[in-house]
Amino acid sequence: SQKIEQNSEALNIQEGKTATLTCNYTNYSPAYLQWYRQDPGRGPVFLLLIRENEKEKRKERLKVTFDTTLKQSLFHITASQPADSATYLCALLSGGYQKVTFGTGTKLQVIP
Amino acid sequence: NAGVTQTPKFQVLKTGQSMTLQCAQDMNHEYMSWYRQDPGMGLRLIHYSVGAGITDQGEVPNGYNVSRSTTEDFPLRLLSAAPSQTSVYFCASRENRGSYTFGSGTRLTVV
Repeated sequence: SQKIEQNSEALNIQEGKTATLTCNYTNYSPAYLQWYRQDPGRGPVFLLLIRENEKEKRKERLKVTFDTTLKQSLFHITASQPADSATYLCALLSGGYQKVTFGTGTKLQVIP
Repeated sequence: NAGVTQTPKFQVLKTGQSMTLQCAQDMNHEYMSWYRQDPGMGLRLIHYSVGAGITDQGEVPNGYNVSRSTTEDFPLRLLSAAPSQTSVYFCASRENRGSYTFGSGTRLTVV
């Protein structure tokens, strides 16, 4: 069956370090993958999109990689700040783009 | 632009009651969807629509109905509320192959 896995345990890192979050998937052939940020009591907010033929995408302090061989995406936040503390969700879009499947998210805590 | 607007923000229902969660978007997006979010389960797709007059079921459609009479509105109806429908509900819209814009959510409790 299709499965998306994000580390369910919270990730705690020191301010200024690089945070790396992982999204693994099985039995998908995603056309593209998205990353979202969700703060408590709010809806997810779109951050980055990467297509299957792209290896890497950057936006300011954010970087996403997409390895279709490993079936994995990595999401990096460089020079992390306490304001980056949130839950980060990955989402896969495949065949027909009509349905998107979200991972359960990883909670990031940046410690001052 | 307001984006995606959901009402109400909070609701308490008794078992067996019915209600409609409202969702409206002003971005002229054809695609709209409803998700529920439960602890440890992530976002699960309830119903979606690819345009006015067209709807389809998602992963967890039982107990919910939708309709799409206009591009802007996509209401979600709970037919007979059950405690298992206690959840946070999100409406989202997107461009054809683009990113989602989510509403702020409706926190529903069924007692």
